[in-house]
Amino acid sequence: KQEVTQIPAALSVPEGENLVLNCSFTDSAIYNLQWFRQDPGKGLTSLLLIQSSQREQTSGRLNASLDKSSGRSTLYIAASQPGDSATYLCAVKGDSSNTGKLIFGQGTTLQVKP
Amino acid sequence: KAGVTQTPRYLIKTRGQQVTLSCSPISGHRSVSWYQQTPGQGLQFLFEYFSETQRNKGNFPGRFSGRQFSNSRSEMNVSTLELGDSALYLCASSLEGSYGYTFGSGTRLTVV
Repeated sequence: KQEVTQIPAALSVPEGENLVLNCSFTDSAIYNLQWFRQDPGKGLTSLLLIQSSQREQTSGRLNASLDKSSGRSTLYIAASQPGDSATYLCAVKGDSSNTGKLIFGQGTTLQVKP
Repeated sequence: KAGVTQTPRYLIKTRGQQVTLSCSPISGHRSVSWYQQTPGQGLQFLFEYFSETQRNKGNFPGRFSGRQFSNSRSEMNVSTLELGDSALYLCASSLEGSYGYTFGSGTRLTVV
């Protein structure tokens, strides 16, 4: 049974710092991995999608890496800003393209202080 | 283009009642999934519909059900509401295959 873990559960950093959020999964047979952002009481906003054949994806100040063999993904945020404060969730999709089931981690709540 | 639309945004119901939530996916998306989010359990998969057929189901009691219409819009129904059903219910849609998922803003259900 696939399990997804995110460490740390919470993180507080001063503005301008570079930071890394971690996501680990127990079954390496994944189809892809997606990082999301969630603001309090809101829905999920997709940040980056990494296919199982890819090693990393970049969007602006965000970079996500994937190491399937070790069951790990990291989300790197460069030059953090107060507007980055939110909960970040990673989710894995199983080893088939025809399933709509994502397995989520519990999230990392990030606070960036001005 | 329009995103995933969920209605209503907020709902307050009494124990024992039933509720229906609605989700309109992005145009062209045929896969619609539903998730329940609570502080204790996080995000949990409820079920997925594809071309009007339930393709996957999570580990929830039979009080939770859903359906999908020919235009891909989906509804989920919860009967005999319990206090523990209070949660944010999120809907996501996707193209088939290697594409990612787009989520709606959710419906906040409070059972009193």
